[in-house]
Amino acid sequence: QVQLQESGPGLVEPSETLSLTCIVSGGTISGYYWSWIRQPPGRGLEHIGYIYYTGITNYNPSLKSRVTISVDTSRNQFSLNLRSVTAADTAVYYCARDRRGDVLSGNSIFDYWGQGRLVTVSS
Amino acid sequence: DIVMTQTPLSLSVTPGQPASISCKSSQSLLHGDGKNYLFWYLQRPGQSPQLLIYEVSNRFSGVPDRFSGSGSGTDFTLRISRVEAEDVGVYYCMQSIQLRTFGQGTKVEIK
Repeated sequence: QVQLQESGPGLVEPSETLSLTCIVSGGTISGYYWSWIRQPPGRGLEHIGYIYYTGITNYNPSLKSRVTISVDTSRNQFSLNLRSVTAADTAVYYCARDRRGDVLSGNSIFDYWGQGRLVTVSS
Repeated sequence: DIVMTQTPLSLSVTPGQPASISCKSSQSLLHGDGKNYLFWYLQRPGQSPQLLIYEVSNRFSGVPDRFSGSGSGTDFTLRISRVEAEDVGVYYCMQSIQLRTFGQGTKVEIK
């Protein structure tokens, strides 16, 4: 059973960088795309971006200038950096397994999720 | 960017009655391979979202058969044949043909 666990600071100061890591257990990070998704309090889901285990990335255009997602296959984990944060970036941040890299169809995208990490941007 | 629009935004259903949620995309989700890349998720209160349906109509492992999905192109529907108490939560549609975009969510509650 694949499990994902987000970790990182729960409080970040405005203008600083939000950094989170997602550790994948019970399965290999290889062969899949992996995503970060966020949810502001009381609101809906927003996809931040995804990374393939080889390092290929694709980001939400609205966040692209501030986001970097990286992967460490040796540690079976991937990470999110969001720069120059403001109060609008306060949200629960989820990591999730995206699709397989070898086929486009037949993928159960976001079949596994972390429990979420609440990150508050405040001084 | 593809915009996903769900209706209604909230739904109150009597247990045992059917429910239906519509999801419309601003661009066609029909890929050249003939598949529509539309997914449905349920987020129960206080929990992470969970996958219900992938590629329009395929129930994910363990999802009860009272859930079904249909549609093609830009119009899609999630149906619950007989709503149960455990179906309470917010339902989201999502497209994956161009990055990923979620609908605003539909909150389902029990009468």
